Amino acid sequence: GNSVTQMEGPVTLSEEAFLTINCTYTATGYPSLFWYVQYPGEGLQLLLKATKADDKGSNKGFEATYRKETTSFHLEKGSVQVSDSAVYFCALRSGKFYFGSGTKLNVKP
Amino acid sequence: DSGVTQTPKHLITATGQRVTLRCSPRSGDLSVYWYQQSLDQGLQFLIQYYNGEERAKGNILERFSAQQFPDLHSELNLSSLELGDSALYFCASSVESGGAGEQFFGPGTRLTVL
Repeated sequence: GNSVTQMEGPVTLSEEAFLTINCTYTATGYPSLFWYVQYPGEGLQLLLKATKADDKGSNKGFEATYRKETTSFHLEKGSVQVSDSAVYFCALRSGKFYFGSGTKLNVKP
Repeated sequence: DSGVTQTPKHLITATGQRVTLRCSPRSGDLSVYWYQQSLDQGLQFLIQYYNGEERAKGNILERFSAQQFPDLHSELNLSSLELGDSALYFCASSVESGGAGEQFFGPGTRLTVL
C-alpha cells in the first residue's frame, strides 16, 4: 500500500543552520509528492510539490527533489530562520492523499 | 488565505453532546476532505466527499458522520462526544477526486470537550 515515513522530531537548530528533514515513501504508480507546513495555531499550507521523478520543488528557500530510485523527497533549506519554526508534513498523492506524521522544527536565535 | 473556510473557529462543549462543523471549499473545488489532528497524533484522515458523494473513508468513528451538499459545502457531525474527541478538525479541498493536484486546507475548528 501507500505510505509516507518522515523523521521524528522535534528538530532543534540554531538560526542560519542547514536543515534536512527526511521523507521516504511507498507507493504504487507515480505519485505526486508534497511538503506542507503548519505554523502554530494555523492550518496546513502547501510549501512545495513535485509531480514526477527528478522534479525539484522549491519555495521560500526550501527545496526537495523527487528521487524515484531512493523513494525519497527530503526537505532542505540552507539557512533556517526563527520564523521557520513550525511542523512540516510530507505527503503523497496516488489518487488518495497520504500524510506523514509531521516533524516539528524549532529554530533558536 | 487558502480560500477554504471553516466555522466555527472554536467550539467548547460537554461530553455526550453533538456538534456540527462546517466547511466551504475553494471556489471550483469539488472534493472535500476531513481530518482530525490531536495533540499526540498526526493528521488522521476521516472522510472524503466528491461532488456530493462519499468517495473514501479513513479512521472515522461510527459516532461521526459527514455530508456534502449541492452547493458543495460540507458538514461533519460529531455525536456522543467523549473527552478524547478534543482535537483540531481540518477541512481541505481539491479540484478533483483523483489526479495529481494538491489539497488546500482551511484554518481548522478547535473542539474542546469538557
